[in-house]
Amino acid sequence: DQQVKQNSPSLSVQEGRISILNCDYTNSMFDYFLWYKKYPAEGPTFLISISSIKDKNEDGRFTVFLNKSAKHLSLHIVPSQPGDSAVYFCAASGLLRGSQGNLIFGKGTKLSVKP
Amino acid sequence: GAGVSQSPSNKVTEKGKDVELRCDPISGHTALYWYRQSLGQGLEFLIYFQGNSAPDKSGLPSDRFSAERTGGSVSTLTIQRTQQEDSAVYLCASSRQGPYNEQFFGPGTRLTVL
Repeated sequence: DQQVKQNSPSLSVQEGRISILNCDYTNSMFDYFLWYKKYPAEGPTFLISISSIKDKNEDGRFTVFLNKSAKHLSLHIVPSQPGDSAVYFCAASGLLRGSQGNLIFGKGTKLSVKP
Repeated sequence: GAGVSQSPSNKVTEKGKDVELRCDPISGHTALYWYRQSLGQGLEFLIYFQGNSAPDKSGLPSDRFSAERTGGSVSTLTIQRTQQEDSAVYLCASSRQGPYNEQFFGPGTRLTVL
């Protein structure tokens, strides 16, 4: 059973518009959430994170929203740029619950930003 | 400084053979993780090393999989008697000690078992 779910395998957005990537989780013990971006033939690179004590974290064009009651988080990219085209992975961890910090990943969403 | 490096970048092997995958973490990072990504799947946690503590092997899929970390630095993931379902991209990540530290990933090793 998947603990972190990204139900949209792909998303296509026009340049300049907003990209919204969604992620759902089932384990209420998760308290730290991250988004990674992956280009082909490269390892994932960290994008942005959020702790469960917050409901929003913003870094430039990237904002992550966390809705704990719904066990849902989303990544907003605005404005979207063609260079944002990549696979985006949502990941979760139960750091405050004594876990080792290993991440549980979703299957990823492939974002295509069209010029 | 250099990032996480992995070798080889690609490995093709025959079913039943043993393979070794290598990871060089970022210097000074005490935590090291192995993940794998099978086709169409997310990244799956395999094993975690933290300093001199016993590794967390809870993600290893079978006893054919093992990993070592020598001298607190380089790590080797060994898969014995490879099977076709072992075909995947194997990713290594390292981070500084403690929670909330970003994991830096290497480029991965693409393993194909024929």
